Amino acid sequence: ETGVTQTPRHLVMGMTNKKSLKCEQHLGHNAMYWYKQSAKKPLELMFVYNFKEQTENNSVPSRFSPECPNSSHLFLHLHTLQPEDSALYLCASSHQTGGLGNSPLHFGNGTRLTVT
Amino acid sequence: AQKVTQAQTEISVVEKEDVTLDCVYETRDTTYYLFWYKQPPSGELVFLIRRNSFDEQNEISGRYSWNFQKSTSSFNFTITASQVVDSAVYFCALTTNFGNEKLTFGTGTRLTIIP
Repeated sequence: ETGVTQTPRHLVMGMTNKKSLKCEQHLGHNAMYWYKQSAKKPLELMFVYNFKEQTENNSVPSRFSPECPNSSHLFLHLHTLQPEDSALYLCASSHQTGGLGNSPLHFGNGTRLTVT
Repeated sequence: AQKVTQAQTEISVVEKEDVTLDCVYETRDTTYYLFWYKQPPSGELVFLIRRNSFDEQNEISGRYSWNFQKSTSSFNFTITASQVVDSAVYFCALTTNFGNEKLTFGTGTRLTIIP
């Protein structure tokens, strides 16, 4: 299996539920990212992990909790979400050496999240 | 601060027509990189091209071509002889400086190719 894989593809959850999104990359990259894509808005960077260490938290509410156990896996734990959190959540990876100018992002298919 | 503007929200053209997607960027940095990504209905953003600020040479890849003009801060994307499979949302993006891990995206242009 190659590329960036995200599960589940679709998720419907209530505001009191706890769920997790999973991302796995098979590209040998060392940086992983979570992005949020809402309708008619630019993609929003949420978190960046570089060699398992979080290097960016873009003022994301604490109801989103990322976890990166190794350079190939990234999770996004969700709890007490709001309806406005409904969006497509995209995972991406890259070689961090030299920055994104030298190593473009590779994205997964995303998880379509609906909060009811 | 940096910004990417894709003024065209939606475009529809008949198959085999040529179409140009506009991208205008703003940055104060002299070193930067521009990207185009394609997002088909499956959701995955597919990398199409990267261009650095020191290379203004236009690029052609099959039916795709890109026109980078620093004088107008634009990085436009043209699809020649469009096909139905080109229907997708296309994003232009910008990152600046060596080692930067932030990518600023435009709001995207939804392209529909009518058979």
